[in-house]
Amino acid sequence: DTGVSQNPRHKITKRGQNVTFRCDPISEHNRLYWYRQTLGQGPEFLTYFQNEAQLEKSRLLSDRFSAERPKGSFSTLEIQRTEQGDSAMYLCASSFGTGGTEAFFGQGTRLTVV
Amino acid sequence: KNQVEQSPQSLIILEGKNCTLQCNYTVSPFSNLRWYKQDTGRGPVSLTIMTFSENTKSNGRYTATLDADTKQSSLHITASQLSDSASYICVVSSSGAGSYQLTFGKGTKLSVIP
Repeated sequence: DTGVSQNPRHKITKRGQNVTFRCDPISEHNRLYWYRQTLGQGPEFLTYFQNEAQLEKSRLLSDRFSAERPKGSFSTLEIQRTEQGDSAMYLCASSFGTGGTEAFFGQGTRLTVV
Repeated sequence: KNQVEQSPQSLIILEGKNCTLQCNYTVSPFSNLRWYKQDTGRGPVSLTIMTFSENTKSNGRYTATLDADTKQSSLHITASQLSDSASYICVVSSSGAGSYQLTFGKGTKLSVIP
């Protein structure tokens, strides 16, 4: 257990529905990252926050995706009007400080869109 | 474009044997390089982290090397165990002005068989 908690662990949803995932980082970590990982691939960067500010967003983060970190602690990732291509593992990671400090990953949320 | 290439894509070895995984990267500016182990359906867990000035770092049966001139890294696993079966992901971090990102390789899927 790395100390980063993600919920739910698994989510099955029908195409067109909205889903929301939650990430609770290690408490003193100011940076929080979201990644998406499809089968057989490495994680792909989606977005990251420093405290409550969303500093970078990947082009993978279409307008159906939105992430928030309202109080600089937990974060949510919402996908609206889900598509089958959204099926993936969504990973959250957190780190402390700036620069190349280690990022700790949660166990991920496995999304299946049917 | 920052890229991390790993080889081989997959590897099967007998329990007790050694193996070496490769990572080549084109990431700038370079901050550090990490090797993560990812069990199926779980989040990545850090094995080693290496900065520009470090050539070798060990963590038990895992030894990572870094050649910053050729932009290559390797992960050597000694006396493999069944529990080493996992994906091993090379991750390079870059930190430019106001930006910080991790670039992931696609991973090497290692299977250790009895």
